[in-house]
Amino acid sequence: DAGITQSPRHKVTETGTPVTLRCHQTENHRYMYWYRQDPGHGLRLIHYSYGVKDTDKGEVSDGYSVSRSKTEDFLLTLESATSSQTSVYFCAISGNTDTQYFGPGTRLTVL
Amino acid sequence: SQQGEEDPQALSIQEGENATMNCSYKTSINNLQWYRQNSGRGLVHLILIRSNEREKHSGRLRVTLDTSKKSSSLLITASRAADTASYFCATDRTGNQFYFGTGTSLTVIP
Repeated sequence: DAGITQSPRHKVTETGTPVTLRCHQTENHRYMYWYRQDPGHGLRLIHYSYGVKDTDKGEVSDGYSVSRSKTEDFLLTLESATSSQTSVYFCAISGNTDTQYFGPGTRLTVL
Repeated sequence: SQQGEEDPQALSIQEGENATMNCSYKTSINNLQWYRQNSGRGLVHLILIRSNEREKHSGRLRVTLDTSKKSSSLLITASRAADTASYFCATDRTGNQFYFGTGTSLTVIP
């Protein structure tokens, strides 16, 4: 497996609370991505980063923000979690070869 | 809307048989990739085919790409129980972003 970890791996939280998910890589890859995976929808891109402090929105970015203050870390924040954000969240990294390497995922439940 | 759509949604075969799954997409691409996801795990890259390629092989995997029909197929030959997983196609878009389909769930029965 590529050197990519996600934390926490599981989280249960309540509606309205802020949540931050962390993605950490040891590969020094330029690109980092946050996806969510839901039944019937496949993987959908939330936000991505193409360098330190350089981020952009994906197709389902509403309600999410990201930050990348150093190459190895990419944080996904849910400012005020809602039940519709219950999902499995995957981080991925990519160098210059188009191949993406995925983390193990974070299962988030918003009650 | 999603760029890639896999077909069939689910496939069940006996061990030793070949498995074929298809992916259709909507707009022009530079490359198309196939990924595998075992239950409860992240996706793993299998193979990439570029728009100027028509066929590519990797071990028991054979991928074809027909840009005129905007479709690709993944063939797994001599399937094994360990091939049981979900398979996704991903197409590139600008800025090193990718669209993933909803996946084909493959079950290989021992």
